[in-house]
Amino acid sequence: DGGITQSPKYLFRKEGQNVTLSCEQNLNHDAMYWYRQDPGQGLRLIYYSQIVNDFQKGDIAEGYSVSREKKESFPLTVTSAQKNPTAFYLCASSPKRAQGPTEAFFGQGTRLTVV
Amino acid sequence: AQSVTQLDSQVPVFEEAPVELRCNYSSSVSVYLFWYVQYPNQGLQLLLKYLSGSTLVKGINGFEAEFNKSQTSFHLRKPSVHISDTAEYFCAVSERAGNNRKLIWGLGTSLAVNP
Repeated sequence: DGGITQSPKYLFRKEGQNVTLSCEQNLNHDAMYWYRQDPGQGLRLIYYSQIVNDFQKGDIAEGYSVSREKKESFPLTVTSAQKNPTAFYLCASSPKRAQGPTEAFFGQGTRLTVV
Repeated sequence: AQSVTQLDSQVPVFEEAPVELRCNYSSSVSVYLFWYVQYPNQGLQLLLKYLSGSTLVKGINGFEAEFNKSQTSFHLRKPSVHISDTAEYFCAVSERAGNNRKLIWGLGTSLAVNP
């Protein structure tokens, strides 16, 4: 079945360590996104990519990095520079159409906890 | 820039009662509107969308929403809720960002359906 796969579902990290969250899609979508979700704060955009080998910062990119070497994959690295990384991370993708927007399709999320 | 306001952070309701979750947005220029649902520890799932045409939009699980341009609103309704509708609901607006579009999110409304 087509969809977006995030792994792992739960992740624990020690302070000072970098960690990479995986996001893979087989929907043949051009655009991919990373969001961070904290209680009561909705979804905040970290990074997005509209095409392979290109990506843009979102609203809260500091302390995060991404790559887009393949259309199917958009991994997110949470670096030690991110001061408060404990959160629920959501990956999404959407097709690119010439006219009008399209909805985003979401993965199941990764819950990162710093211990 | 667009903004989205979900007027209620929490909505408690009894099973089989009607419910309305309110959403207002800031600009009426070429807006595209979405409602998503998120069950605990899961990703977001599209409920319904308004792109153009009829202002009354029907979605999955018996939900519907009405686009009101004059009031810049896109309220979500269901005539009779079930326990299984307990979830977080997010309203989103598609905004043009350069040659691309991005989704602007409300902070969410937590719907609690009680027996």
